[in-house]
Amino acid sequence: AQSVTQPDIHITVSEGASLELRCNYSYGATPYLFWYVQSPGQGLQLLLKYFSGDTLVQGIKGFEAEFKRSQSSFNLRKPSVHWSDAAEYFCAVGGRDSGYALNFGKGTSLLVTP
Amino acid sequence: EPEVTQTPSHQVTQMGQEVILRCVPISNHLYFYWYRQILGQKVEFLVSFYNNEISEKSEIFDDQFSVERPDGSNFTLKIRSTKLEDSAMYFCASSEESFWGRDEKLLFGSGTQLSVL
Repeated sequence: AQSVTQPDIHITVSEGASLELRCNYSYGATPYLFWYVQSPGQGLQLLLKYFSGDTLVQGIKGFEAEFKRSQSSFNLRKPSVHWSDAAEYFCAVGGRDSGYALNFGKGTSLLVTP
Repeated sequence: EPEVTQTPSHQVTQMGQEVILRCVPISNHLYFYWYRQILGQKVEFLVSFYNNEISEKSEIFDDQFSVERPDGSNFTLKIRSTKLEDSAMYFCASSEESFWGRDEKLLFGSGTQLSVL
């Protein structure tokens, strides 16, 4: 069965500091992996996705994520966090074997302090 | 960038009442979806819709739920007789093609918060 685990419910970082949000997945076939961000009152916005090929994926807003098959992980990183990055971050997994359904993690809430 | 629009942003209803949540997907998109998120839980897939029919649904999407594309622009989710446990944020999403393609995106609306009292 496919599943996604985001171990950190809340993370607090200082503005300008680096960020890493963890995501572990379980999926029987080749996974397609996604990171979405949700700001208050906004919809889920796609930051990046891993489809195939290069395991380091670049996304919008300066985010990147690295797919590590051996660790079943797809951690999201940003070298320098801005106050506007405060939001809820969701990792999701899916693939051709799962039809049209994305399987989401519970999310990590990011707080950015001055 | 074009957006998926959902109305209303917040809906309050009494248990047992019917509700219709409305969505306007992006105009050239062909695939439509509903997801929901109960407070404190993860976002869950409900249903996908393509070519005027349901293409896939989850266990959550029982006979109390239905979807419809009544015209060329709207995509609705109806809950026939709401229960307390239906209280959640409901997200509509759409994609131009099946979003497993490299360049495809699954775009979400900002959600409708449904509160069943």
